Amino acid sequence: KQEVTQIPAALSVPEGENLVLNCSFTDSAIYNLQWFRQDPGKGLTSLLLIQSSQREQTSGRLNASLDKSSGRSTLYIAASQPGDSATYLCAGFGGSQGNLIFGKGTKLSVKP
Amino acid sequence: GAGVSQTPSNKVTEKGKYVELRCDPISGHTALYWYRQSLGQGPEFLIYFQGTGAADDSGLPNDRFFAVRPEGSVSTLKIQRTERGDSAVYLCASSRVPGTLETQYFGPGTRLLVL
Repeated sequence: KQEVTQIPAALSVPEGENLVLNCSFTDSAIYNLQWFRQDPGKGLTSLLLIQSSQREQTSGRLNASLDKSSGRSTLYIAASQPGDSATYLCAGFGGSQGNLIFGKGTKLSVKP
Repeated sequence: GAGVSQTPSNKVTEKGKYVELRCDPISGHTALYWYRQSLGQGPEFLIYFQGTGAADDSGLPNDRFFAVRPEGSVSTLKIQRTERGDSAVYLCASSRVPGTLETQYFGPGTRLLVL
């Protein structure tokens, strides 16, 4: 059964820092992986989807990588801003139909 | 609308009551998913629809939970004889087609509180 772990659970950084959020999964037979952002009291916003055949995806200041052999994904945020403060969730697809298995998230706080 | 919508945004009910939660997916999306998120946890899969049929209901916790999607668009999650442990945020997501190559788009959720 696929399990997803995110480290750290919480992170506080000053504005402008580059940072890395980590995600690991137990089953290397992962199909694809999706990173989300969740603001307090809100739903999830999709940030990046990495297909199993890809190694990374980039969108603006965000870069996500996927290493199937080690069962890890990282989300890199460059030049962090206070507006980046949110909980970041990674999710792997639990089966071929597309239901997602989520980690518990990393709560990021970027201080001005 | 442009995104996934869910109603109500908040629901307070008493233990033992019946509740219905509604999800309106993005127009044209054939796949619809329900998830449940407890405080401090990531969302957990409940059920997935392809068109009108429930393709995978393996995440439903027990037979008090049921969901329908009669016309292949709007879906309703139904909870009978609610318990305090059912309190959570219920999230709905849709994707253009099912499968692992498709981005899932989430609604804002329904916050259910069972007293």
